[in-house]
Amino acid sequence: GAGVSQSPRYKVAKRGQDVALRCDPISGHVSLFWYQQALGQGPEFLTYFQNEAQLDKSGLPSDRFFAERPEGSVSTLKIQRTQQEDSAVYLCASSPLRLSNYGYTFGSGTRLTVV
Amino acid sequence: DQQVKQNSPSLSVQEGRISILNCDYTNSMFDYFLWYKKYPAEGPTFLISISSIKDKNEDGRFTVFLNKSAKHLSLHIVPSQPGDSAVYFCAASALNSGTYKYIFGTGTRLKVLA
Repeated sequence: GAGVSQSPRYKVAKRGQDVALRCDPISGHVSLFWYQQALGQGPEFLTYFQNEAQLDKSGLPSDRFFAERPEGSVSTLKIQRTQQEDSAVYLCASSPLRLSNYGYTFGSGTRLTVV
Repeated sequence: DQQVKQNSPSLSVQEGRISILNCDYTNSMFDYFLWYKKYPAEGPTFLISISSIKDKNEDGRFTVFLNKSAKHLSLHIVPSQPGDSAVYFCAASALNSGTYKYIFGTGTRLKVLA
């Protein structure tokens, strides 16, 4: 597709429920990032993939968060046993290069609300 | 510890005037800086960047200035237009150190009044 596509756009989860958020990056993009944006804050780094390899997961806030990109294209961010503090917009971004001084292309995000 | 700071949460400017958005950083290893613009319900979109080897980069109505000694950068928009109303994020990275992630500020909401 022309841009980074994320689904669903909105997700309401009951506390304790597991959720899966999907990201379709721009075709051929090597790098894929997940960021978390809490209300009134800037995006915060969660994890980074280069093709199918997860090279950095230092930003994942707890072991309830898990991300994968098994074939080097589509990625899924899974959150187990969701908590209220997980409520945020989850942004996926991709880049054609491993290192980019032109930033990344972001998707529109998935807004997760945990009730 | 907030490595990238945008101390003004909001800014209002009259149409046609200059908008100046500021950003401060603490990490001297940062060598690339970006500005992103974000409309409601959309992801951030890349606006303009600057490398630490430069002190100015210009693209149409948008100019970014970098003052390395002060660890400060600013985005100038002139003339400002109502369509520029959005949240602006600055972001920084230490690309020459081999890292790949950008650290974002908390954003400044710009409102351009017609």
